[in-house]
Amino acid sequence: DAGITQSPRYKITETGRQVTLMCHQTWSHSYMFWYRQDLGHGLRLIYYSAAADITDKGEVPDGYVVSRSKTENFPLTLESATRSQTSVYFCASRTTGSSGNTIYFGEGSWLTVV
Amino acid sequence: EDQVTQSPEALRLQEGESSSLNCSYTVSGLRGLFWYRQDPGKGPEFLFTLYSAGEEKEKERLKATLTKKESFLHITAPKPEDSATYLCAVQGIQTGANNLFFGTGTRLTVIP
Repeated sequence: DAGITQSPRYKITETGRQVTLMCHQTWSHSYMFWYRQDLGHGLRLIYYSAAADITDKGEVPDGYVVSRSKTENFPLTLESATRSQTSVYFCASRTTGSSGNTIYFGEGSWLTVV
Repeated sequence: EDQVTQSPEALRLQEGESSSLNCSYTVSGLRGLFWYRQDPGKGPEFLFTLYSAGEEKEKERLKATLTKKESFLHITAPKPEDSATYLCAVQGIQTGANNLFFGTGTRLTVIP
């Protein structure tokens, strides 16, 4: 049971470059999410998606773009990376219905912008 | 605005020394309160969901309880493998099931 797979796990990029973080889930969950985790802050929601081709902003969406052409994939793109986007990024998913509202997380992608 | 405050920020326990972690929350209407465990370099691992005041859930040495203002994660006779950061998060009725508001966590160290 692979669950959620994120790639790359570690990335160093330069300011102004475009970076895409990939997320793949094997559970067929409808909802997928991107969170970032920074020291002194709790995990904060960037974007989420309710289904293929349906996405919506979270708490901190500026500077990020998402797409969801297939249910199992939810890539996050930083169109022009900035140092403030140095963070750990977590992809997550949840099911719907009687199984409840639990959100399950991937292992994270560590991004450094220099 | 939904808010979550966890205390203490860090806690060191001797193996076998029971204690509790606190999660105080403010939410317009509670949809659910979640506890996660996070090991260094890993993603949060789901532990419990609590939905209403008075509810309790247990898993091995962990027991989570919920009141209208706070939740406690009780750790009974902890072992070194319980060392991790424990995260609390809430879902509010207004924000819906599509966002969790997280606290900054309690970093637990259990010394053999």
